[in-house]
Amino acid sequence: EVQLVESGGGLVQPGRSLRLSCAASGFTFDDYAMHWVRQAPGKGLEWVSGISWNSGSIGYADSVKGRFTISRDNAKNSLYLQMNSLRAEDTALYYCAGAAAGTYWFDPWGQGTLVTVSS
Amino acid sequence: EIVLTQSPGTLSLSPGERATLSCRASQSVSSSYLAWYQQKPGQAPRLLIYGASSRATGIPDRFSGSGSGTDFTLTISRLEPEDFAVYYCQQYGSSLHPAFGPGTKVDIK
Repeated sequence: EVQLVESGGGLVQPGRSLRLSCAASGFTFDDYAMHWVRQAPGKGLEWVSGISWNSGSIGYADSVKGRFTISRDNAKNSLYLQMNSLRAEDTALYYCAGAAAGTYWFDPWGQGTLVTVSS
Repeated sequence: EIVLTQSPGTLSLSPGERATLSCRASQSVSSSYLAWYQQKPGQAPRLLIYGASSRATGIPDRFSGSGSGTDFTLTISRLEPEDFAVYYCQQYGSSLHPAFGPGTKVDIK
């Protein structure tokens, strides 16, 4: 069964850091570019960051550039998002999603991990 | 940066009716780079359509996608009760910089 399972979310104070993880199973992880997509409460989807299969290409949304760092460990079938200098507006459900090599859409998706930034 | 606009914001229809959802891009998008997703409350998004018109695995044929350039359409031929949800279009720009539209909510009239 294809599965992505996020973890690491929680309540954090503004200015602090948090590291999200996404564990993949049921597919060949290093055949996929991987992404983080977030959804603030009651709002739409916002792409956050993406990383190519070999970490050779990385992108960030302007809203997180310089504060968030995406990485992956293909040996562990895992994706990470290091989030520093967190702000209230980073409060959201964070999904990891895969895009198979040569494709331009997200499938599969995890169920998300909730990050709440509040004092 | 390509910006996607979706209309209408909300579509109120009855089961059995036809739903037509629009996604407009601020500049031309390759059809290969245009996808549609369905999201129900409390669930992750689900891929419906990729490459503007190809149905993802397991998606019923009442869902269809069309369009090119800057104008794309998702059509649900006859709404089933499980189709009432929010629908997002997504484009995949260059250098790993995808973007989503703001979504269209299809709710029960």
